Amino acid sequence: QVQLVQSGAEVKKPGASVKVSCKASGYRFSGYGISWFRQAPGQGFEWLGWIGLYNGNTNYAQRFQGRVSVTADTSTSTAYLELRSLRSDDTAVYYCARDRAMNYYGSGSDNWGQGTLVTVSS
Amino acid sequence: DIVMTQTPLSLSVTPGQPASISCKSSQSLLHTDEKTYLYWYLQKPGQPPQLLIYEVSNRLSGVPDRFSGSGSGTDFTLKISRVEAEDVGVYYCMQSIKFPPFTFGPGTKVDIK
Repeated sequence: QVQLVQSGAEVKKPGASVKVSCKASGYRFSGYGISWFRQAPGQGFEWLGWIGLYNGNTNYAQRFQGRVSVTADTSTSTAYLELRSLRSDDTAVYYCARDRAMNYYGSGSDNWGQGTLVTVSS
Repeated sequence: DIVMTQTPLSLSVTPGQPASISCKSSQSLLHTDEKTYLYWYLQKPGQPPQLLIYEVSNRLSGVPDRFSGSGSGTDFTLKISRVEAEDVGVYYCMQSIKFPPFTFGPGTKVDIK
């Protein structure tokens, strides 16, 4: 079955960077895209970025441009989210999620990682 | 960015009774490919979201048929024909026609009376 397993919780100081991993299994990694979302405590969802593993394209939310990078290592079926210049309001649970359909961005996300809590505090 | 709104923001339902959630978008979600890019997710307590409905009205495999989606353009509805205890959580609508970014509604919290 499809599984996305994320790396563990992180505590970072303001100004630092964090890199969260998302290891996929149970499907052809290179056939789908992966999005990254976050959910601040008690809040709704915010989309940060996407990578298409079938074409290498990336897209980012404008408000995070320059601070966020989404990459992947197809040899290990792992996607990564890096967020730089962290601020206290970046404290959130970060999720990776697979596109519902192959080669089809914007098709919804049908499988999600368990989430990674990133806490930014001095 | 496209703004998504939902009503109500909370809903308390007696088991076996129906429930309905409205979602409105600030722009039409109908694409030139004739698909409408509106999705419904449910986040149960302590879990990541799960996709229930894609492209307005298509249930994901395994989603009970008591869940149905409808609507067009900018107005959409999620209906639960008979609410069960396992349906509690927060329901979100999301658009992906204008990408980036995907945008979500604020969520509707459903609990059981």
